[in-house]
Amino acid sequence: EILMTQSPATLSVSPGERVMFSCRASQSISTYLAWYQQKPGQAPRLLIYGASTRATGIPARFSGSGSGTEFTLTISSLQSEDFAVYYCQEYHNWPPYTFGQGTKLEIK
Amino acid sequence: EVRLLESGGGLAPPGGSLRLSCAASGFTFSNYAMTWVRQAPGKGLEWLSGIGGGGRSTYYADSVKGRFTISRDDSKNTLYLQMNSLRVDDTAIYYCVKEMGVRGYSDPGDFWGLGTLVTVSS
Repeated sequence: EILMTQSPATLSVSPGERVMFSCRASQSISTYLAWYQQKPGQAPRLLIYGASTRATGIPARFSGSGSGTEFTLTISSLQSEDFAVYYCQEYHNWPPYTFGQGTKLEIK
Repeated sequence: EVRLLESGGGLAPPGGSLRLSCAASGFTFSNYAMTWVRQAPGKGLEWLSGIGGGGRSTYYADSVKGRFTISRDDSKNTLYLQMNSLRVDDTAIYYCVKEMGVRGYSDPGDFWGLGTLVTVSS
């Protein structure tokens, strides 16, 4: 089973700033990587799939990069509605698929 | 508009059973794989089980293999999760997730339901 590690556990950032989230896979997953956003009391929402493709309706300030074992989600200019928990998930080859433990984005 | 509505959650004793349902609308249900994902209180996300379009293939996490069974009824646009031999650590919100493809593997989930809470306690 592939282990997904996100860092850091918490990020404190001010609105308008740029923020980067890290996700590392324990073995190569090519670009079979998705990013999700979850706000309190809500279901997760798909942001990025294929490591760098924005899902339908996702603003351009969200971007993803990486391949193999190292991945990054970037928010170019934080908006108030972006404060949430962000998860990465691998979907390489056969299930089961694993999620990272999440990074909480807090207002500084 | 894609909609996924889970039901069937509630309180069950350890060793008990529950059957979750997920009613889907807004897309051609039979053309897409479906997945169950859960989230224990205050914790992260755990992939549990997936089923390909048409139900030809099913997949399970080790944590639920042999206890949970995923199935689908394409005539009713409904996904199911039969949960047996429930344990206290099965307590979680259970989400129904539509995948982007039909295969049941190598595709991400693009729409999530609101979830149903399962509590396992004596």
